[in-house]
Amino acid sequence: GDSVTQMEGPVTLSEEAFLTINCTYTATGYPSLFWYVQYPGEGLQLLLKATKADDKGSNKGFEATYRKETTSFHLEKGSVQVSDSAVYFCALRDSGNTPLVFGKGTRLSVIA
Amino acid sequence: EPEVTQTPSHQVTQMGQEVILRCVPISNHLYFYWYRQILGQKVEFLVSFYNNEISEKSEIFDDQFSVERPDGSNFTLKIRSTKLEDSAMYFCATEDRVITGELFFGEGSRLTVL
Repeated sequence: GDSVTQMEGPVTLSEEAFLTINCTYTATGYPSLFWYVQYPGEGLQLLLKATKADDKGSNKGFEATYRKETTSFHLEKGSVQVSDSAVYFCALRDSGNTPLVFGKGTRLSVIA
Repeated sequence: EPEVTQTPSHQVTQMGQEVILRCVPISNHLYFYWYRQILGQKVEFLVSFYNNEISEKSEIFDDQFSVERPDGSNFTLKIRSTKLEDSAMYFCATEDRVITGELFFGEGSRLTVL
């Protein structure tokens, strides 16, 4: 079945450091890919998405590119802030009606 | 901004007891979901609900689980006889009438079964 694998956390970075959180997937079809973020005390919220190969999703300085050849959707940010501290979830959806499939989540802590 | 609200935020119960987790969806959303996350594990799909019936469910969603929308607003998850392994964070999520893949999640209900 469909699955998502993302790098184990926690990840601890200093402010302004470069962030990469790796995510790879397996899917039977041609999925849409997502990154969700969960800030402390809040629910998961959509950060960005990409629906086809080579699409780049971006939001709040975060980016991820849909790489079909490597089945990856790595999350990157050039300069993290303390306010980016959260848990980040990679997810896929194989078609419009199927449930989202999530990875385990990666906890990011950014220190000043 | 509209949001999904869940109650209770934390519930502690004895094994074998019934638990009801409640969710108030965003008002114009038509698709509803329950997910759960056991500590340190993946966020797992439990069930999806549309047009007052279950549209899909996972293997986890066995006969001990049920969902309903009793009054047209609340969306509830019931666990009839809780087991230790039901201890998890349970997330409600809703989606608007155009399936975009953007689910709006509540803050979660933490269930601890003793």
